[in-house]
Amino acid sequence: NAGVTQTPKFRILKIGQSMTLQCTQDMNHNYMYWYRQDPGMGLKLIYYSVGAGITDKGEVPNGYNVSRSTTEDFPLRLELAAPSQTSVYFCASSYSTRGLANQPQHFGDGTRLSIL
Amino acid sequence: DQQVKQNSPSLSVQEGRISILNCDYTNSMFDYFLWYKKYPAEGPTFLISISSIKDKNEDGRFTVFLNKSAKHLSLHIVPSQPGDSAVYFCAASGAGGTSYGKLTFGQGTILTVHP
Repeated sequence: NAGVTQTPKFRILKIGQSMTLQCTQDMNHNYMYWYRQDPGMGLKLIYYSVGAGITDKGEVPNGYNVSRSTTEDFPLRLELAAPSQTSVYFCASSYSTRGLANQPQHFGDGTRLSIL
Repeated sequence: DQQVKQNSPSLSVQEGRISILNCDYTNSMFDYFLWYKKYPAEGPTFLISISSIKDKNEDGRFTVFLNKSAKHLSLHIVPSQPGDSAVYFCAASGAGGTSYGKLTFGQGTILTVHP
């Protein structure tokens, strides 16, 4: 019973490098989300997706890109890493329908990213 | 602009006593509220939620109270156990049809339960 799986767990990048944070869920959830958590702060929404082929910006999207080609996968791309993107990144998923709009999100264990 | 605030960074409680964690919000469009628990090196885990049509929801040792007029919610844990020691996040979501479940989180409160 894997739930939401994120890889890698840790990564150190140099300024200007690029990388993709992977997220996959096996619960057949239609909604998926990416958050970042900075020290002493709550989680902030980067991007979200309500289904395959549909993505939209959250509160802090600058410097990131996403895609959703399948229901299961929702990768997050950093094109030009900057020190301000040093953070812990969490992927989450939930299942929602017209009659069941508010459902708790299930989170992965996070990717700790340092940019030096 | 912090729409969800947890003003207590930390709380220390004796085992067996009640833990009360507080959360305030400013956005009147929020209508669904959740509490998440987070252990180090793990993702947040859903604990309990409440819809704005209710003022109380219970699940075992956990009760969430919502005061809409004050834009305030609280989480009560009775009795507190050492295993409850974790960071607790309050989160809020807007009207279901347009919010797509997007959550706005508070900063978190570190709860320590002493044996």
